[in-house]
Amino acid sequence: DGGITQSPKYLFRKEGQNVTLSCEQNLNHDAMYWYRQDPGQGLRLIYYSQIVNDFQKGDIAEGYSVSREKKESFPLTVTSAQKNPTAFYLCASSTGRGDLRGTQYFGPGTRLLVL
Amino acid sequence: GENVEQHPSTLSVQEGDSAVIKCTYSDSASNYFPWYKQELGKRPQLIIDIRSNVGEKKDQRIAVTLNKTAKHFSLHITETQPEDSAVYFCAASINTDKLIFGTGTRLQVFP
Repeated sequence: DGGITQSPKYLFRKEGQNVTLSCEQNLNHDAMYWYRQDPGQGLRLIYYSQIVNDFQKGDIAEGYSVSREKKESFPLTVTSAQKNPTAFYLCASSTGRGDLRGTQYFGPGTRLLVL
Repeated sequence: GENVEQHPSTLSVQEGDSAVIKCTYSDSASNYFPWYKQELGKRPQLIIDIRSNVGEKKDQRIAVTLNKTAKHFSLHITETQPEDSAVYFCAASINTDKLIFGTGTRLQVFP
């Protein structure tokens, strides 16, 4: 878990503003994921990427965008089209190899609040 | 697509008792089932996982059982302690692709 970091810890968004959440990993993992967690609820998948320069929509991709230009980095942009962005955002990564294939390790999260 | 249901949503036990959380999944092709523990305001942490070629797996006070025929799997915690209090999530995936999570169980262990 120490190998995956997210910043900032807290982020405030004004109406109509795009904001970008950072996710970096030094675990040499191929796959990276973004989840949204609302209070008292489970984790819902926003986007995921299994390889550099490729990514797929998850269950709730509307109003979000991502890029995967480097293996280590998978930033998430919350656009103004996302009308209810207040949530806890979690990034995760996993390797596709060996006994630990598919096991996802999470970053510490970013709490996004709307002003 | 895959759907994972988790029960109960809350569970209260006395310290030293056992706790059992159950999950069912819909897609028979699912073959990887991890369990995560999340303390308040913290990241989910993997506590145990099982793959479909195994029926049971243990790690000290924690065990997971898998019934592929019935498409359900369970987390068992024995000799519960106050530090076991947290939200527990089950998940399922096909070929270690994206995980589909259950809605979580809030476990409270009373001293």
